[in-house]
Amino acid sequence: QQQVKQSPQSLIVQKGGISIINCAYENTAFDYFPWYQQFPGKGPALLIAIRPDVSEKKEGRFTISFNKSAKQFSLHIMDSQPGDSATYFCAATDSGGGADGLTFGKGTHLIIQP
Amino acid sequence: EPEVTQTPSHQVTQMGQEVILRCVPISNHLYFYWYRQILGQKVEFLVSFYNNEISEKSEIFDDQFSVERPDGSNFTLKIRSTKLEDSAMYFCASSVGDVGPQHFGDGTRLSIL
Repeated sequence: QQQVKQSPQSLIVQKGGISIINCAYENTAFDYFPWYQQFPGKGPALLIAIRPDVSEKKEGRFTISFNKSAKQFSLHIMDSQPGDSATYFCAATDSGGGADGLTFGKGTHLIIQP
Repeated sequence: EPEVTQTPSHQVTQMGQEVILRCVPISNHLYFYWYRQILGQKVEFLVSFYNNEISEKSEIFDDQFSVERPDGSNFTLKIRSTKLEDSAMYFCASSVGDVGPQHFGDGTRLSIL
């Protein structure tokens, strides 16, 4: 019930295209959903996050879409650039009672081809 | 921009030895976390720490692990008797509140021989 399932495992997109990564969760107590970007040799860096009171959040070229009834959320990267090539992790946590850690998906290795 | 710093970047230790991983969280953050990432796998939560005590811990965080905030700036993870399967990247993170952005350091690669 604590799992976050992420797909695809790897993704190749042409420069300028749209990259889409999907995640699904089971724990209905989850109420904070961040996306992290990780480059080789670096720690995860927060990209964008959403709470379930909204269905979409956009920051620059990055958009999270959230479907509470389906318990799914996705990251869309518009106008994908070679510099976006990285591993992306979705995560989730619940805000009730204590500093719960993030539950991460298994990651998506994104390659943007020039 | 303030960042979480971790030392050392790479630690090599003999199996059975004790190891201490160090972290300096962002200065105005109150919540501190340790995660680990075994090579090629997902990031896994170990423990969270607030007000000088453990707030939450996962099933991975067993009796061989301990955390401490020995002074006003450092946050440490101690592994008492290391095993081969402890080999992983260990990430420290911090946040202002108990829910919200967690900022990660670049990790310590722990190699157990």
